[in-house]
Amino acid sequence: AQKITQTQPGMFVQEKEAVTLDCTYDTSDPSYGLFWYKQPSSGEMIFLIYQGSYDQQNATEGRYSLNFQKARKSANLVISASQLGDSAMYFCAMREGGSEKLVFGKGMKLTVNP
Amino acid sequence: DAGITQSPRYKITETGRQVTLMCHQTWSHSYMFWYRQDLGHGLRLIYYSAAADITDKGEVPDGYVVSRSKTENFPLTLESATRSQTSVYFCASSDRGRFFQPQHFGDGTRLSIL
Repeated sequence: AQKITQTQPGMFVQEKEAVTLDCTYDTSDPSYGLFWYKQPSSGEMIFLIYQGSYDQQNATEGRYSLNFQKARKSANLVISASQLGDSAMYFCAMREGGSEKLVFGKGMKLTVNP
Repeated sequence: DAGITQSPRYKITETGRQVTLMCHQTWSHSYMFWYRQDLGHGLRLIYYSAAADITDKGEVPDGYVVSRSKTENFPLTLESATRSQTSVYFCASSDRGRFFQPQHFGDGTRLSIL
């Protein structure tokens, strides 16, 4: 069963607008962590933001925030005020409490237009 | 702050040859991981290691061998390369901690098997 689902293969957004990247997950473990990574065209994987299942508040890191809806099992990444440099592949990933292993979604491509 | 480095960045080899991809981290992180990235699959875990001399299989271990004699190094060997192992390979590391620790990635090795 697929544990991380990213259904949007690609999205386009205008510079300076906000954009939401969808991620749903599946786990029966009450303790888990959700991560978002960015992969620009240069290829490296860059950690963006993390949300723990027990965290009371949605995570934020600068222009990145995570819209965590536990009951719906969704962990959407929100990028505010998009910049051209935000154009990249974005991956959602999950780690369950009893494991060090990350399970990745298939990713989605964001293109920011000037 | 050297972080995590992979070598080589690019490698072309022939089927049946042995090839070793190197990974070195300077953070003294306990955990190290090897992933492969293929179009349509996201990142898939090949092997991981919790400490020196402790390794375990991931999702797609067949055809690969790992070792970890020192905490900072985690080489990945393809003993007899096949064309299906053409991929981008990422090494990652993470620390032990009370809460979920993000994995930090190397820049990747692009491997082509002819």
